Amino acid sequence: DVKVTQSSRYLVKRTGEKVFLECVQDMDHENMFWYRQDPGLGLRLIYFSYDVKMKEKGDIPEGYSVSREKKERFSLILESASTNQTSMYLCASSLFAGGVSYEQYFGPGTRLTVT
Amino acid sequence: AQKITQTQPGMFVQEKEAVTLDCTYDTSDPSYGLFWYKQPSSGEMIFLIYQGSYDQQNATEGRYSLNFQKARKSANLVISASQLGDSAMYFCAMREGRLTGGGNKLTFGTGTQLKVEL
Repeated sequence: DVKVTQSSRYLVKRTGEKVFLECVQDMDHENMFWYRQDPGLGLRLIYFSYDVKMKEKGDIPEGYSVSREKKERFSLILESASTNQTSMYLCASSLFAGGVSYEQYFGPGTRLTVT
Repeated sequence: AQKITQTQPGMFVQEKEAVTLDCTYDTSDPSYGLFWYKQPSSGEMIFLIYQGSYDQQNATEGRYSLNFQKARKSANLVISASQLGDSAMYFCAMREGRLTGGGNKLTFGTGTQLKVEL
């Protein structure tokens, strides 16, 4: 079974802090994604990566950056956390073959609160 | 325009009955894929079923089936014989093809909260 793990289930940070959210997958997937989920808005893509050191902006990249130094690990960085970044953060990975991306497998999520 | 629309924010169904969750989509790409995910209260997203735009048959996975109507751009999820454990949020998502810059990303709808009652 595909396993996607996230470093924390719950996190509380103060405004202005630098926050790191880590995600690890064990299935050698090429693609990795970071989403945030807010009530009534569904899942919105922040960034994704299709290879080591490669990344593309999603729909809401402002205030975030990412890092992918190894294939299995994808980090989301909040350079200076703000209260409007309080949200559920979901990491996902997927196989990429034949020019298309297959179903995404998700981690358990990190509920981040910024006070 | 919304690429994925789920018009039912909440649904109730009696245990053992079937329920249909609606999803309409909008794309000009001839090659696309449609996915359904389940999110229980624990928060983890669980992949349920997939339909490719060129698939001739409607996808089925156990009690889940996808009612794919290409001309109407709809991809409704049908859950047969509902169980209490089916109570969850359900999301429809679309992957577009390379023609529209897709190939990797999924676009999600806003979800439908399903509650199964005794």
